[in-house]
Amino acid sequence: QITLKESGPTLVKPTQTLTLTCTFSGFSLSTSGVGVGWIRQPPGKALEWLALIYWNDDKRYSPSLKSRLTITKDTSKNQVVLTMTNMDPVDTATYYCAHRPNIGQWLGGWFDPWGQGTLVTVSS
Amino acid sequence: QSVLTQPPSASGTPGQRVTISCSGSSSNIGSNTVNWYQQLPGTAPKLLIYSNNQRPSGVPDRFSGSKSGTSASLAISGLQSEDEADYYCAAWDDSLNGHVVFGGGTKLTVL
Repeated sequence: QITLKESGPTLVKPTQTLTLTCTFSGFSLSTSGVGVGWIRQPPGKALEWLALIYWNDDKRYSPSLKSRLTITKDTSKNQVVLTMTNMDPVDTATYYCAHRPNIGQWLGGWFDPWGQGTLVTVSS
Repeated sequence: QSVLTQPPSASGTPGQRVTISCSGSSSNIGSNTVNWYQQLPGTAPKLLIYSNNQRPSGVPDRFSGSKSGTSASLAISGLQSEDEADYYCAAWDDSLNGHVVFGGGTKLTVL
């Protein structure tokens, strides 16, 4: 059974850097084809994809947020970390991490399952 | 504004069939498969359809997906009250070094 759980601060101040950790079990990020992605959802709004890291350390980012995002993995700890710099109140959202299964091709794919999400509020 | 376009709302009565559309472009839906997620109130999204028309185990066959050109659709037949949720389409986009794009979501109301 695959599970993921997000952790990090619930409140950050504007201009600060947000660091979120996704801790997972039931799969290994050293397995070919596997990945972990981050998706966020502002209150009452739509899902927005942020970043994805693959088993081979290939990383993809949202074009609109690329300059502020960094995604890394620690295979030995079964963790993926997302950092977002220069936080702003508009970044207030629930942040989800999700498993990207091996689909037999490198790019593309889907997310299944998702973590429960963690609400991050940006306010002074 | 989301890259993939969905109607903001849809509705139907129990037993009815409803469809939700998702419109994209040649760099996303036109070139890659479409996935659908269901988000029940207050919960995390759940994969509903993958690779255009495949159902994960446990998803009732009342849910079906299709794709044609740069558009996709999710159909729900035999609508039930527990289907009331937000539905999102998503796809890989080949532009700008490759990234995932989501639709703006459709809130389905069961009347």
